[in-house]
Amino acid sequence: GEDVEQSLFLSVREGDSSVINCTYTDSSSTYLYWYKQEPGAGLQLLTYIFSNMDMKQDQRLTVLLNKKDKHLSLRIADTQTGDSAIYFCAESRDSSYKLIFGSGTRLLVRP
Amino acid sequence: NAGVTQTPKFQVLKTGQSMTLQCAQDMNHEYMSWYRQDPGMGLRLIHYSVGAGITDQGEVPNGYNVSRSTTEDFPLRLLSAAPSQTSVYFCASSLEGTQPQHFGDGTRLSIL
Repeated sequence: GEDVEQSLFLSVREGDSSVINCTYTDSSSTYLYWYKQEPGAGLQLLTYIFSNMDMKQDQRLTVLLNKKDKHLSLRIADTQTGDSAIYFCAESRDSSYKLIFGSGTRLLVRP
Repeated sequence: NAGVTQTPKFQVLKTGQSMTLQCAQDMNHEYMSWYRQDPGMGLRLIHYSVGAGITDQGEVPNGYNVSRSTTEDFPLRLLSAAPSQTSVYFCASSLEGTQPQHFGDGTRLSIL
């Protein structure tokens, strides 16, 4: 199957860390992406990881990939109210130009 | 930097009308694609193009046509709009297929 699954909702307090999780089914995935969508806007690429990596850090963002369990996570350190948005996990494969998206996780940051 | 530009931002159509959603990119990207986003769902691929003159179907192509006469432009045509096509439409581009895709701000389309 081609499913990419995410939990629907996450609520955290400002200053805490947020962890958004994603599972995928295709072991041939080559790149895995995290996109952010703010209300009424398009998708903004946050970060991505190649499948031969297990971790990538970019400022407040840390991506962890467990290829054995087909599990991807995005950790946002020191979460701010401006981080409130929908976060989409997506995968792509060498043999296909298609991005397979999860249904998105809505992150709410409480003051 | 314009990036990926979509027009119009909003449109209301009547059932049976036709229209073209425009998408242009100024990054000399070979790969362009159209997605639709429906409530509670991720994005689903409608059509894509790997270069000028080449297009192919995605996951949900029925009711839509595309063409790619130039590298910069990738219009999406609805030949006879149906209420099921009410959605937010996103255009994306990348240097090539497996590179990160850059998205436009979307076109919100309502069909009555």
